[in-house]
Amino acid sequence: KNEVEQSPQNLTAQEGEFITINCSYSVGISALHWLQQHPGGGIVSLFMLSSGKKKHGRLIATINIQEKHSSLHITASHPRDSAVYICAVLIANGNKLVFGAGTILRVKS
Amino acid sequence: DTAVSQTPKYLVTQMGNDKSIKCEQNLGHDTMYWYKQDSKKFLKIMFSYNNKELIINETVPNRFSPKSPDKAHLNLHINSLELGDSAVYFCASSLSNYGYTFGSGTRLTVV
Repeated sequence: KNEVEQSPQNLTAQEGEFITINCSYSVGISALHWLQQHPGGGIVSLFMLSSGKKKHGRLIATINIQEKHSSLHITASHPRDSAVYICAVLIANGNKLVFGAGTILRVKS
Repeated sequence: DTAVSQTPKYLVTQMGNDKSIKCEQNLGHDTMYWYKQDSKKFLKIMFSYNNKELIINETVPNRFSPKSPDKAHLNLHINSLELGDSAVYFCASSLSNYGYTFGSGTRLTVV
């Protein structure tokens, strides 16, 4: 079992829908990252969280340290949001990121 | 102006060859990484260097040898390439585990 589990694995939404991607982890962490990978492959860091909630444009990320769970929300989704969204945790007292398997999001117009 | 640049973007080579992938960052970060993304898109750390010193070396065949001539560069040399080495390799950098920035990836195909 991977230390970082994401759900769903695949998600298809209609343009305008509210989207939630979930991430659960089983290890102690010092931070959690949400990453976006577009077709064509480049990886972009969206958020780094160690507590609470962060918002950037239509994207919101939350983390509950006690429950070892984070969510990424996209409001008013758009076809350009179609990408793979990857949760990654920075292991506490370590120097490495451990990645979830990613969620493939497709937003249809 | 690219923050983390890796070359080449694509690399097709025959089994048994030796190849290198180069990575440079101009962000002033102190830590650099190599990650491997397999055919199922799963990312996994291979190596990490902090200020030119190796700090993470995951279970990677010793055919893979990272080299960091200075803290802005981390190159990956692969000897005796095998079919299973085909993957996308990402370089990344951070400032003491914060503010990760990824390169655009190198798609390696071994034929």
